[in-house]
Amino acid sequence: RKEVEQDPGPFNVPEGATVAFNCTYSNSASQSFFWYRQDCRKEPKLLMSVYSSGNEDGRFTAQLNRASQYISLLIRDSKLSDSATYLCVAGFQKLVFGTGTRLLVSP
Amino acid sequence: NAGVTQTPKFQVLKTGQSMTLQCAQDMNHEYMSWYRQDPGMGLRLIHYSVGAGITDQGEVPNGYNVSRSTTEDFPLRLLSAAPSQTSVYFCASSDRAGYNEQFFGPGTRLTVL
Repeated sequence: RKEVEQDPGPFNVPEGATVAFNCTYSNSASQSFFWYRQDCRKEPKLLMSVYSSGNEDGRFTAQLNRASQYISLLIRDSKLSDSATYLCVAGFQKLVFGTGTRLLVSP
Repeated sequence: NAGVTQTPKFQVLKTGQSMTLQCAQDMNHEYMSWYRQDPGMGLRLIHYSVGAGITDQGEVPNGYNVSRSTTEDFPLRLLSAAPSQTSVYFCASSDRAGYNEQFFGPGTRLTVL
């Protein structure tokens, strides 16, 4: 079993839709959680950190459920430019990346 | 600031050849790491360093060596290239191991024939 698991997708949504990604992690000692975005053939870039209280950045909302070892990302009002792969990350000292969830937003 | 730089961008090797992938950062970050990314496998940690003179193995260290003689540089050496090492290699740095954002370099695309 992978230490960080994500649904690979792809998730195909129309512009303006709301889409949610989920991720589970197996290491209960994990203390740091992030969502990264990766465009095709590019390096990953931080989208947002994930805090226990949940956090929001514009159209993006991240939630952490430590009891269920579960992280989520909600994207509201999807834009064409949101098309990318979203990587879930969890860890303590060593960060472990999930394999990513691919999002395709169509006109 | 250039951030994290990697050279070369592309490389083709023959089986058995050795080479060094270069990584440098100008953000004075203590933590640096090397990942490889393969289709369907995500990013897998090869080696990491929490400061100059300190390195440790990640998830997939076999066939790779690293050293950290300065804060800025963290080269990855392939000792004897194998086709299984065909991958995209990313170097990353952070100012605090495992806690803060990692900044990634643009990657090196390596093909081993």
